Amino acid sequence: EVQLVESGGGLIQPRGSLRLSCAASGFTVSSNYMSWVRQAPGKGLEWVSVIYSGGRTYYADSVKGRFTISRDNSKNTLSLQMNSLRAEDTAVYYCARAPDWDLNAFDIWGQGTMVTVSS
Amino acid sequence: QSALTQPASVSGSPGQSITISCTGTSSDLGGYNYVSWYQQHPGKAPKLMIYDVSHRPSGVSYRFSGSKSGNTASLTISGLQAEDEADYYCSSYTSSSTVIFGGGTKVTVL
Repeated sequence: EVQLVESGGGLIQPRGSLRLSCAASGFTVSSNYMSWVRQAPGKGLEWVSVIYSGGRTYYADSVKGRFTISRDNSKNTLSLQMNSLRAEDTAVYYCARAPDWDLNAFDIWGQGTMVTVSS
Repeated sequence: QSALTQPASVSGSPGQSITISCTGTSSDLGGYNYVSWYQQHPGKAPKLMIYDVSHRPSGVSYRFSGSKSGNTASLTISGLQAEDEADYYCSSYTSSSTVIFGGGTKVTVL
């Protein structure tokens, strides 16, 4: 079965760090565009970051310099290292796959993991 | 970069057709045919409904169609059904090699 399963969310204090993971099954992470998309409570979707099949990475301005996307090809997983967390980073974080011909067509989504930044 | 502009809400009666607009700029939506639409029910992950402006993934109802003119894309839902009540988001590739979403539109079936 083709699926994504996120983990690693939780309650973290401002300025803290957290690492999210996303385990893929049924397809190869390194052969696709893989993104993180977040959704603050009651708000819309916000794209966070992408890693290309070739390894290039891009970030939304709101997280640039604080978040790092990466993947482990041997484990077929995607990760998001989040540092210097702020209250406005509170959201459900989804990992999403886009096929290698369209990085904007997120055809597989995980169930999401909640990150709450609060003291 | 600001989000793509969508109406906050659209409503229609069962069987009717509704259209949701999504407006961007020449640096994103207007400059590329990489426009997607997503449906999201409460508490659920988004679902891809349209990609590359007008293509439907396998399994998505023919009642959903997409188009684009200039800097504005549109999603039309024909033969509106109760199950179509959800939030809808557009997204586009940008000239910065990133992705931008619209603010979302709540569709209500009257």
